[in-house]
Amino acid sequence: AQSVTQLDSQVPVFEEAPVELRCNYSSSVSVYLFWYVQYPNQGLQLLLKYLSGSTLVKGINGFEAEFNKSQTSFHLRKPSVHISDTAEYFCAVILNTGFQKLVFGTGTRLLVSP
Amino acid sequence: ETGVTQSPTHLIKTRGQQVTLRCSSQSGHNTVSWYQQALGQGPQFIFQYYREEENGRGNFPPRFSGLQFPNYSSELNVNALELDDSALYLCASSLLQGDYGYTFGSGTRLTVV
Repeated sequence: AQSVTQLDSQVPVFEEAPVELRCNYSSSVSVYLFWYVQYPNQGLQLLLKYLSGSTLVKGINGFEAEFNKSQTSFHLRKPSVHISDTAEYFCAVILNTGFQKLVFGTGTRLLVSP
Repeated sequence: ETGVTQSPTHLIKTRGQQVTLRCSSQSGHNTVSWYQQALGQGPQFIFQYYREEENGRGNFPPRFSGLQFPNYSSELNVNALELDDSALYLCASSLLQGDYGYTFGSGTRLTVV
């Protein structure tokens, strides 16, 4: 069975600093990879996804992520964060076989302070 | 392009009662999935509907059931509510065999007391 591990439950960072949110997955088959953001009292918004092709994926709001198959990782990065980036971030996978459903990690809370 | 809308936004129920949550899919989407998000956790897959049939289910008991209607709107029904059912319930619409562009609603916050 596949699983998703988000190693940091909370990441505090100062405004305009760079940030990396870590995500590792385990699966015996190939996967599709996603990052979602959840603002307070809201649903999930897709930041970016990796289906195939270039391993560096650019998303909305200046975020990007790199798929590393050998490390089974899909870390999310932003070179300069804003106060408005404060939110919960979820990494998710879909197995590229059989019934396809999103499997989420437990989330990382990004706290941006001035 | 309309998004996914869920109703109600908040709900308080008593243990043992039954509840129905509703979801309107994004225009053009033919598949709806439901997720349960407990406090401090990631969303957990409940089930998915395509063409009014359940075509996938997660590790949830039969008292969780659903419906999808011809206009692709959907309902999630939970019978015999338990305290642990308290959670944010998220609906997501998509295209089967599409590009995995799931669109999520803002959710229904269910509290069981």
